[in-house]
Amino acid sequence: EPEVTQTPSHQVTQMGQEVILRCVPISNHLYFYWYRQILGQKVEFLVSFYNNEISEKSEIFDDQFSVERPDGSNFTLKIRSTKLEDSAMYFCASSEWQHSRGYTFGSGTRLTVV
Amino acid sequence: QKEVEQDPGPLSVPEGAIVSLNCTYSNSAFQYFMWYRQYSRKGPELLMYTYSSGNKEDGRFTAQVDKSSKYISLFIRDSQPSDSATYLCAMSQGGSEKLVFGKGTKLTVNP
Repeated sequence: EPEVTQTPSHQVTQMGQEVILRCVPISNHLYFYWYRQILGQKVEFLVSFYNNEISEKSEIFDDQFSVERPDGSNFTLKIRSTKLEDSAMYFCASSEWQHSRGYTFGSGTRLTVV
Repeated sequence: QKEVEQDPGPLSVPEGAIVSLNCTYSNSAFQYFMWYRQYSRKGPELLMYTYSSGNKEDGRFTAQVDKSSKYISLFIRDSQPSDSATYLCAMSQGGSEKLVFGKGTKLTVNP
């Protein structure tokens, strides 16, 4: 069964450093997403991406965040200057259709900011 | 009132029991309703997708949406130990890509 692949599975970074989280969505999917889950909290929407541009973003997705699809297969989330409160599981997801007929999520990257 | 509320449990049942999981919501604009299953250290896995009100059945799983009460349910029949996971409800508005999740209910099915 096709799956969304995320790397690395766990990343530790120092506060103030830049991190890039990588995702390979399912090949025929057109809509891409990032969500995060702080330990013990809800899964929260960050951003959606379609046709090489952001289609929707949450208030969490401020100027320190950016997304990119640098080639035909990868989808990345960059956090420019990490803060302690950015520590969370970050999930990439992709979908063949618009408006949430159900995404396929990756297994996540656990980001720890120290 | 929180946008989506879900009892976090934990819920512990014997194998073979019928499990009922529920969420309430406050935003009447939600039209798409989903249930995801999340195993430890894994991403959410889509179980059921429903548009607007009504019931949907898939094997041992039945999803119900009551928009008039702003209440959704997931029933699991003949529960198995492999069903032990956290179950997340999620919903979205038409025209929005954003899924709003409940906090999840942790279910344990005991052999």
